[in-house]
Amino acid sequence: GIQVEQSPPDLILQEGANSTLRCNFSDSVNNLQWFHQNPWGQLINLFYIPSGTKQNGRLSATTVATERYSLLYISSSQTTDSGVYFCAVYTNAGKSTFGDGTTLTVKP
Amino acid sequence: NAGVTQTPKFRVLKTGQSMTLLCAQDMNHEYMYWYRQDPGMGLRLIHYSVGEGTTAKGEVPDGYNVSRLKKQNFLLGLESAAPSQTSVYFCASSILGKDLRSEKLFFGSGTQLSVL
Repeated sequence: GIQVEQSPPDLILQEGANSTLRCNFSDSVNNLQWFHQNPWGQLINLFYIPSGTKQNGRLSATTVATERYSLLYISSSQTTDSGVYFCAVYTNAGKSTFGDGTTLTVKP
Repeated sequence: NAGVTQTPKFRVLKTGQSMTLLCAQDMNHEYMYWYRQDPGMGLRLIHYSVGEGTTAKGEVPDGYNVSRLKKQNFLLGLESAAPSQTSVYFCASSILGKDLRSEKLFFGSGTQLSVL
């Protein structure tokens, strides 16, 4: 099946710093989404981004489907950004594969 | 608007017992999913459904069964629980886009299941 690799596995930042998270995938995909899992376990969809670039406040994402990667940018990080960021890819209608996530810790 | 609701939130079973997890969504979504998340890992797809009356296997389907008799509900069953099924279970739903892609996923709050 398709492989999804996220990097880095762990990231520690000071509040106010910027960061880039990467998601590489091994085959063509129909869909790609980024999620944030907060320290209480809640999963929130950040971006639905099969291709191109989207921005939402301090967060933005870019997917280059032809080169099989996606990037999540976090600017001016805040302590509330802490948690695990997952990338998930979809190869046909319905079926999905998640990466193992990047654990982000933002220190005040 | 409740979104995606999972019940129960916590459950402890003994090996060999059975149980059913219920997922309900009120957004009229076509797609529904069951995932499990083990410590330090991403979510793994157990089963999914692309519409009422249909189900399909995901990445780790063994030991689980599902049913989607109504569009708004997706049930996950464990017929004979094993300690390896101790995990956090998440349900999710999404609409079917115009290009037949599964669009933005909405997740329930999770069910912590322990099998002793």
